[in-house]
Amino acid sequence: AQSVTQLDSQVPVFEEAPVELRCNYSSSVSVYLFWYVQYPNQGLQLLLKYLSGSTLVKGINGFEAEFNKSQTSFHLRKPSVHISDTAEYFCAVTGGAGSYQLTFGKGTKLSVIP
Amino acid sequence: DTEVTQTPKHLVMGMTNKKSLKCEQHMGHRAMYWYKQKAKKPPELMFVYSYEKLSINESVPSRFSPECPNSSLLNLHLHALQPEDSALYLCASSYGTGGGEKLFFGSGTQLSVL
Repeated sequence: AQSVTQLDSQVPVFEEAPVELRCNYSSSVSVYLFWYVQYPNQGLQLLLKYLSGSTLVKGINGFEAEFNKSQTSFHLRKPSVHISDTAEYFCAVTGGAGSYQLTFGKGTKLSVIP
Repeated sequence: DTEVTQTPKHLVMGMTNKKSLKCEQHMGHRAMYWYKQKAKKPPELMFVYSYEKLSINESVPSRFSPECPNSSLLNLHLHALQPEDSALYLCASSYGTGGGEKLFFGSGTQLSVL
């Protein structure tokens, strides 16, 4: 089985500052990794995903993440945040190509302070 | 059309009521999902339909009954629910069922059981 741990439940950051949201995964097999964002009173939206290849993955809204196999991490970063980035961010994992059961981490609430 | 549409957006029901949640997508996706999300928690997978057949049931109580009438529609029939079933119910779809698929989520139905 695979799982993800999001190390911070809440991250406050000032507008235009950089941010990193941390995610570590655990699995005995190859995994696919995802970051989803949930704005208040909405469903989830995919920011980016890592399946294979380049370990630096670029997503929507200026976000990027780096897959690090040795540290079993998939941290999400943005160089300059905006008020509109305030949302809940979920790291998620599936057990590779044959598994479509998406397992979510507990989420990190990003609050951007004006 | 890249939307997953869920109705109703809000539902209040008593423990003896029978109600249904509806989900619709017109993206030609062949996999559809029901997730349950309690407040300030990550989504939890309930059911997966693949090519209109139920492929995953995550040990969900029988008071929740899914139905997939065709490839565009997914229903969740509710009967004799408990107050602890109050949650946001999210529908999602994906083009295929491989582990790397992007899930498209609806905005959810906020269910309150009195």
